[in-house]
Amino acid sequence: NAGVTQTPKFQVLKTGQSMTLQCAQDMNHEYMSWYRQDPGMGLRLIHYSVGAGITDQGEVPNGYNVSRSTTEDFPLRLLSAAPSQTSVYFCASSSRAGNQPQHFGDGTRLSIL
Amino acid sequence: GDSVTQMEGPVTLSEEAFLTINCTYTATGYPSLFWYVQYPGEGLQLLLKATKADDKGSNKGFEATYRKETTSFHLEKGSVQVSDSAVYFCALTANTGNQFYFGTGTSLTVIP
Repeated sequence: NAGVTQTPKFQVLKTGQSMTLQCAQDMNHEYMSWYRQDPGMGLRLIHYSVGAGITDQGEVPNGYNVSRSTTEDFPLRLLSAAPSQTSVYFCASSSRAGNQPQHFGDGTRLSIL
Repeated sequence: GDSVTQMEGPVTLSEEAFLTINCTYTATGYPSLFWYVQYPGEGLQLLLKATKADDKGSNKGFEATYRKETTSFHLEKGSVQVSDSAVYFCALTANTGNQFYFGTGTSLTVIP
């Protein structure tokens, strides 16, 4: 019963490097999303997807790209890492049916030097 | 637009004290409401939910009642334990289920 799996759990990057944060879910959920969590700011939505082939921007999309080629996977790409992107990143998924909660991964702790 | 406002922390309580964390919301229509808990170093876990007015969600001794007249979903527990130390998030989703809105989180520390 894996749920939502995020990899890696920790990552250190240098400014300007690129990388992809992986997210996979095995619950056949249509809706997937990426959040970043910073001290004192709660969760902020970066991008979300309501199904394969459909993505949209959230509150803080700049500097991040996403794609959704399958129902299961929703990777988040940092194109050119900046220190301001140092954060904890959470992926979540849910059924599109109303009233259903989001299921979260354990997070990726990312530091940009 | 839809939003959630929750009580700012941090909150520090002695073991066996009564806990209330306030949460109010703004939403069109009839949202579903949730409380999530985040333990140190972990992701968010669903604690309880309520999907319509006057519903009471409960789990692990925590309770919250969906009050449409006051647009509130306050979290309560009668007797907290050290193991309840965590950050608590209030959240809502519209019935379309397309987006979730989270409060900023309330940090709770319970001391023996």
